[in-house]
Amino acid sequence: NAGVTQTPKFRVLKTGQSMTLLCAQDMNHEYMYWYRQDPGMGLRLIHYSVGEGTTAKGEVPDGYNVSRLKKQNFLLGLESAAPSQTSVYFCASTQMGARGNTEAFFGQGTRLTVV
Amino acid sequence: LAKTTQPISMDSYEGQEVNITCSHNNIATNDYITWYQQFPSQGPRFIIQGYKTKVTNEVASLFIPADRKSSTLSLPRVSLSDTAVYYCLVGDTNAGGTSYGKLTFGQGTILTVHP
Repeated sequence: NAGVTQTPKFRVLKTGQSMTLLCAQDMNHEYMYWYRQDPGMGLRLIHYSVGEGTTAKGEVPDGYNVSRLKKQNFLLGLESAAPSQTSVYFCASTQMGARGNTEAFFGQGTRLTVV
Repeated sequence: LAKTTQPISMDSYEGQEVNITCSHNNIATNDYITWYQQFPSQGPRFIIQGYKTKVTNEVASLFIPADRKSSTLSLPRVSLSDTAVYYCLVGDTNAGGTSYGKLTFGQGTILTVHP
């Protein structure tokens, strides 16, 4: 199994450009997440989804949009990129069981630079 | 959602046992406690999860006191390759044990193992 796959792995954008990051999981997980991680910092939750067709805001949702049209895919969009969005983006998925089972699986990350 | 508090950093030497304690005073009755490990330029990786008392696997042990307001990750005989950031998470459940789905990370503990 591939697990969680993120596309692309690297990207350089100019300020104002748009792009979409794709996250795909093959574990039939209900829950999916997008995080950003700045140098020396922990992971901050951008948006998440508890099932196909649902999305919810995390800690830092401004400037990002997401869609979960298919259960296996979670897309993160930047409509107008800003230098402050330069970061490493991680996608994760999990199958929440009873009592908040939070064993999540992460992708390899997307390193985004906005110039 | 229960907040967690961990030491920002810890230092150790090869062959020593390392104990990292996490405080989660507001943990909900049905929440599990989960620890992740993150190496530079990689996504976090699940280490261990527990609900109460002690859990042990091939990588680590997790000690949870009766009041569950804290937990301690124990890494036996660390090596240089255990240098990483360690995150403690608690579940996000309601009184009935149903997960809200939100999965948030704190700052984590930077563990540095010296020769």
